[in-house]
Amino acid sequence: DAGVTQSPTHLIKTRGQQVTLRCSPKSGHDTVSWYQQALGQGPQFIFQYYEEEERQRGNFPDRFSGHQFPNYSSELNVNALLLGDSALYLCASSLELAGRSSYNEQFFGPGTRLTVL
Amino acid sequence: DQQVKQNSPSLSVQEGRISILNCDYTNSMFDYFLWYKKYPAEGPTFLISISSIKDKNEDGRFTVFLNKSAKHLSLHIVPSQPGDSAVYFCAAVWAGNNRKLIWGLGTSLAVNP
Repeated sequence: DAGVTQSPTHLIKTRGQQVTLRCSPKSGHDTVSWYQQALGQGPQFIFQYYEEEERQRGNFPDRFSGHQFPNYSSELNVNALLLGDSALYLCASSLELAGRSSYNEQFFGPGTRLTVL
Repeated sequence: DQQVKQNSPSLSVQEGRISILNCDYTNSMFDYFLWYKKYPAEGPTFLISISSIKDKNEDGRFTVFLNKSAKHLSLHIVPSQPGDSAVYFCAAVWAGNNRKLIWGLGTSLAVNP
């Protein structure tokens, strides 16, 4: 059973470009969350997708958008890239459950390292 | 404004000894706390959690202690093993922010053989 997979593993872009990152959740999971982890920082919540809709959003500008497909996989899109967008982008999947126990069952992928030059 | 603080960027301990990782928080509304472990080139892995209605939770070699009055929690690893060498993140949630995880900066633990 594959866990959470992300592609690509590394990516180099230049300022102003657009990027799409992809995530496949763990088998059986239906919820996908995206995080940005800058160097030396903890992960910052970007947004969460459930039932193909954005359910929650962190403090990120509209340049950051996403999508969830019927098979529960997800994409993170970032437009007009800035140098400050350079970070490790983590995807986490979970199964929608009532209550807080879903955090215990949140599985993270290895991340996509984005470098903006 | 860092609501969850891990003031020690790194910690080094000898194999077999106790590792104590600390975490402080500023938001008294947090009601659930989690610890994650992260190896290089891997995503964070859930380790242990504690509800704000408890002051201790234990799982094998890992114990988390919560002191609400001091807004402080700690993770104890006993005995420490070389495979425990990783970055440990403290995270917190509360209902008021739709239960989004708020993460600390992490503490890098090195367990020396």
